[in-house]
Parts: sequence; structure tokens; C-alpha cells
Amino acid sequence: EVQLVQSGAEVKKPGESLKISCKGSGYSFTNSWIGWVRQMPGKGLEWMGIIYPGDSDSRYSPSFQGQVTISVDKSISTAYLQWGSLKASDTAMYYCARQGVSGSGNYKRYQFDHWGQGTLVTVSS
Amino acid sequence: DIQMTQSPSSLSASVGDRVTITCRASQSISTYLNWYQQKPGKAPKLLINAASSLQSGVPSRFTGSGSGTDFALTISSLQPEDFATYYCQQTYNTPQTFGQGTKLEIK
Repeated sequence: EVQLVQSGAEVKKPGESLKISCKGSGYSFTNSWIGWVRQMPGKGLEWMGIIYPGDSDSRYSPSFQGQVTISVDKSISTAYLQWGSLKASDTAMYYCARQGVSGSGNYKRYQFDHWGQGTLVTVSS
Repeated sequence: DIQMTQSPSSLSASVGDRVTITCRASQSISTYLNWYQQKPGKAPKLLINAASSLQSGVPSRFTGSGSGTDFALTISSLQPEDFATYYCQQTYNTPQTFGQGTKLEIK
């Protein structure tokens, strides 16, 4: 069974750093992209970025480029999302999700088929 | 970035109703379009990928259609458990943007 288990809720002060995690199991971790999605309180889903654990190739949304870093430790099947200096506006639920692949050739398609339970990050002075 | 626009943003309906949510892309995305359902306090759940392919275990009352720029999610006969927020997502290129969501509420 594919599972993504995220680290627990965090309460931080503005300016502090943070690294949250997402541990995959039940599939070949290095062969599937892992993405991160933000959901601010009462708002919709925002695609932040994605990483391929096999070679750490990563892509970011322009909205999040330079604001966060996505990384992976494939030896422990874990992806990370980190901030160097948190702001109050980073308060949100953060989800990791596995990008599955369906179809083949020109019909190959991609989708977030398994999700973590979410990590709530609260940034407040 | 490709912009995904859903309509309506909210919808009030009754059990047994047929409802349709639409999603429009700002450029052609072929069938690189997924639909997710999210219930309060829960992670999103994939319902449909590749515009019309129903995920295993998802009831057949959910149907996805469309290609290019215009897509639709139809629920043929609403059940109490269907009241949730629905999101479309394009995976044609990065960033793989989501629509703003459609909240489906009980009338």
C-alpha cells in the first residue's frame, strides 16, 4: 500500500527556519516525482513544486521559487520542504503528494494519486 | 503559467441532483487534466485523471469530459457524501496549476 506520512504540526515565530518531511513507503520512492501543495486557511490548493528523488531534479512554481527549498534523501525515502526565514503569510497546511503516471507514449498522463495527511505550519509572534 | 478557471465557485444542490462543474484552461492542455475532491480537514483525493479516466473505487456517478481548453466534471445523482470542494489541475507543464475550487453545498 502506497503511503506518504508527513511530519507533525509546527508553531514557529517569524524569521525562524523550518524543515518539514514526507516519508514514502509501499512503492519505489526513487521512481516517482513528489510534489508539495500549499493550502492557506480557507483557501484553495497551490502547486509549489516537485522533485524527482532518483536524481533530485526539481521544478518550482515562480510564486515559490526562492521562498522555499524542496529536497530529498532517497536513502530514507523522505522528501523535505524547508524555509530559511518564515513569515506570517507562510501559515498554511502543506501537503506532499506522489505524482503517479498512467498511460504510455503520447497518452502518458500525470496526477497526484497519493497524498500525505498534511502538515499544519503556524507562524506567529 | 497556465491559468485554470473553474465555475461556478460555489454551488448549492440537493441530493439526487445532477451537477456539472466546468474548468477552463488559458491555453490548450490536451487531456492533461485531473479532478480532485477535498472534504473539510482532509487531504484531496484524486477522482479523475487524463480528463475522463475514473480512478479505481470512485463511483460511476462521477464523469469527466473535455479536451483542449474546456473540461467538465459531472455528478449524475448527488449523494450526501459528495458535498465537498472540487479542484481541477493541469499537468501539461509546470507549474501544474490548480483551479480555484468549486464548493458544492447542500441546498
